[in-house]
Amino acid sequence: NAGVMQNPRHLVRRRGQEARLRCSPMKGHSHVYWYRQLPEEGLKFMVYLQKENIIDESGMPKERFSAEFPKEGPSILRIQQVVRGDSAAYFCASSPPGGEGETQYFGPGTRLLVL
Amino acid sequence: SQKIEQNSEALNIQEGKTATLTCNYTNYSPAYLQWYRQDPGRGPVFLLLIRENEKEKRKERLKVTFDTTLKQSLFHITASQPADSATYLCAPLEGDSSYKLIFGSGTRLLVRP
Repeated sequence: NAGVMQNPRHLVRRRGQEARLRCSPMKGHSHVYWYRQLPEEGLKFMVYLQKENIIDESGMPKERFSAEFPKEGPSILRIQQVVRGDSAAYFCASSPPGGEGETQYFGPGTRLLVL
Repeated sequence: SQKIEQNSEALNIQEGKTATLTCNYTNYSPAYLQWYRQDPGRGPVFLLLIRENEKEKRKERLKVTFDTTLKQSLFHITASQPADSATYLCAPLEGDSSYKLIFGSGTRLLVRP
């Protein structure tokens, strides 16, 4: 059973470009969470999605950031017009159905560097 | 506001000793708390989950305690090995949430051979 997959593992973008980060949850998991980790800081919750639904996006910046988890395919975290402050590690986690209150399993992360 | 505090200084111990890491939280009572291990350049790896009605949880050489009066969780690794060297993250649930984790900044553990 493959774990949570994220790609790309590393992403370099220039200011103003778009970044698209992908996350495939563990097989059988229908809950996806995105977290951001700045250097020397703890992970910060961004958004919680179930298939085709955004459940909680209270941790997402109001502008430029969006997330989706379509019926088919991976979850996507999209950052438009990136700025240097967006440089961070972005982690995706998943949990099984009925999964609120269950363990969240994390992927290896995508490290975004904005030049 | 809800705060999670872990010792920011690295814990440096001799192989074979017991490592004890501390997680303190303030201003609320989480329904459960998770501990994760994170290696450089990797994602967090789940270790243990302890619920508010559990005092202690064990898994092999790992033990977690949860003191809701002191608002503290302790994480122990017995018979530590150099391979246990990593950063350990404490992650209680936020407020009344059933899924939103608040992560501490972690404590780095170094086990000397």
